[in-house]
Amino acid sequence: AQKVTQAQTEISVVEKEDVTLDCVYETRDTTYYLFWYKQPPSGELVFLIRRNSFDEQNEISGRYSWNFQKSTSSFNFTITASQVVDSAVYFCALSEAKAAGNKLTFGGGTRVLVKP
Amino acid sequence: EAGVTQFPSHSVIEKGQTVTLRCDPISGHDNLYWYRRVMGKEIKFLLHFVKESKQDESGMPNNRFLAERTGGTYSTLKVQPAELEDSGVYFCASSQVRYQGTQYFGPGTRLLVL
Repeated sequence: AQKVTQAQTEISVVEKEDVTLDCVYETRDTTYYLFWYKQPPSGELVFLIRRNSFDEQNEISGRYSWNFQKSTSSFNFTITASQVVDSAVYFCALSEAKAAGNKLTFGGGTRVLVKP
Repeated sequence: EAGVTQFPSHSVIEKGQTVTLRCDPISGHDNLYWYRRVMGKEIKFLLHFVKESKQDESGMPNNRFLAERTGGTYSTLKVQPAELEDSGVYFCASSQVRYQGTQYFGPGTRLLVL
């Protein structure tokens, strides 16, 4: 069975600080996909990134960066120079590619509070 | 392009009543998913449609929940009769490609059963 763990339930930082969100996953499949979603106060889940298990190259998108390490089954997310608008709940999720329909398994989410 | 929409945004009902949630996926997306987040828990998968067919309903909690997707367009999720433990946020998502498609989520319906 697949499982996603986000050990940090809440992180509070001051604006311009960097913040790293941890995500550890478990799966028996060799082919799978990892995702990060953002849930701002308005409630919707906003897609941020998808990474497949064969691509361990780290990715940077603006102030966001992701570190995927298969050896430790981790897919961590860093926000550089945080801003108040980054305040949200962030979810890490996993889907197994061969499972019909690639349903997502979510972690519990990490609430990030960026103070001005 | 319009995103996934859900209606209503909020619903407050009494135990024993019936509630129907609606989801309109992104146009052209054959895959439609329902998830829910009960207070304090993770977001959990409920079921998956491919067009009008149920592909996977392994996450449906019990037979008080009925999902339909007539014509392969919008979907409804009916809870009848509602129980207190059904309270939570119900999310709908859609994707274009079955095995590799990214799922795009709607804003969710917040259901409170009193």
